[in-house]
Amino acid sequence: NAGVTQTPKFRVLKTGQSMTLLCAQDMNHEYMYWYRQDPGMGLRLIHYSVGEGTTAKGEVPDGYNVSRLKKQNFLLGLESAAPSQTSVYFCASSPSGLAGRTDTQYFGPGTRLTVL
Amino acid sequence: AQSVSQHNHHVILSEAASLELGCNYSYGGTVNLFWYVQYPGQHLQLLLKYFSGDPLVKGIKGFEAEFIKSKFSFNLRKPSVQWSDTAEYFCAVNIPSGGSYIPTFGRGTSLIVHP
Repeated sequence: NAGVTQTPKFRVLKTGQSMTLLCAQDMNHEYMYWYRQDPGMGLRLIHYSVGEGTTAKGEVPDGYNVSRLKKQNFLLGLESAAPSQTSVYFCASSPSGLAGRTDTQYFGPGTRLTVL
Repeated sequence: AQSVSQHNHHVILSEAASLELGCNYSYGGTVNLFWYVQYPGQHLQLLLKYFSGDPLVKGIKGFEAEFIKSKFSFNLRKPSVQWSDTAEYFCAVNIPSGGSYIPTFGRGTSLIVHP
């Protein structure tokens, strides 16, 4: 049982390049999330998904796209990377007991992205 | 907009000192409250959570938190910290949004414990 995994762990991009971050969970969770963590800003929600085939915008969605084609995977895409997207990206998942009200989130190890 | 406020951004303590980290939220409905911890170089993990019943919640590693509904607060406490408690601590609230419950995190508190 690996929990939540993220690939890659580190990546350096040049401005304008594109990339996709992959998140996978093996706990059969319904909900998945992408966050970015910046110094002094805490965790900010980028996009989330409440089930296979559904996605929704979070607090800071601009410049990112997501897809949830399979229940266990949640992809985060950057179409044209900008230096402002330099950050640590965390994926999380949670079950949907009681419609998510009491859910604990399970986090992946993070991806450190630098955009030059 | 609903929000979660953590008052202390950086806390430095010596071992055996007592700890209290503040957390306030702005949502007026039924809430579910969490504290997560991120040890250096690791991912976030649950420390404790409250969703009903006894407002004093005990978590792992000797941590506890008290939910005070009238003050919209969920402060984290530990009577005697250890060097290994050095970490970043995040308060979070699951808030209803479009039929789902979406977590909202505070900005985090960085705790450094000197041996």
